[in-house]
Amino acid sequence: KNEVEQSPQNLTAQEGEFITINCSYSVGISALHWLQQHPGGGIVSLFMLSSGKKKHGRLIATINIQEKHSSLHITASHPRDSAVYICAGLRARGADGLTFGKGTHLIIQP
Amino acid sequence: ETGVTQTPRHLVMGMTNKKSLKCEQHLGHNAMYWYKQSAKKPLELMFVYNFKEQTENNSVPSRFSPECPNSSHLFLHLHTLQPEDSALYLCASSQDLTYGYTFGSGTRLTVV
Repeated sequence: KNEVEQSPQNLTAQEGEFITINCSYSVGISALHWLQQHPGGGIVSLFMLSSGKKKHGRLIATINIQEKHSSLHITASHPRDSAVYICAGLRARGADGLTFGKGTHLIIQP
Repeated sequence: ETGVTQTPRHLVMGMTNKKSLKCEQHLGHNAMYWYKQSAKKPLELMFVYNFKEQTENNSVPSRFSPECPNSSHLFLHLHTLQPEDSALYLCASSQDLTYGYTFGSGTRLTVV
């Protein structure tokens, strides 16, 4: 079983819809990254969370430490939000690098 | 550009070739990483360098050989690769193995 599990794997929505992507992680993960990968491969780090909630523009990320669960929300979604969103866990030891979920392929249709 | 620059962006090599991937960051980060992304699979950690010292080698075959001459540069030397090694190779850097994770754009490698 992967240490970081994401759902859904694929999500297609209409422009303007509220989007939620979920991530569950196992014991030993001390912080979570949310990453965005566009076609062509480059990855952008959106958030790093170890507690609470963070907001940047139309993106909101939350984490529940007790339930070992994090969500990424996109408000007023737009076709340019179409990308693969990846949840990645940072182990408490840190030296192991990140451990990644399989990603959620999001398509926002106009 | 994110602050982490990878070259080349694309590479096609034969199984008997030797090539190198280069990664450069001028963010002042002290940790650098190589990750591999194969089709339909999650990103996998290959190597971690912290203050130029290799701290992690995630059971990577010896045909992949990393080199970190200083905190700003990281290389991945490739030799006698297999077609299944075709993948996107991503470099990243961070501060103190934790903060400011920044990825490069990747090198798309095809082994023929």
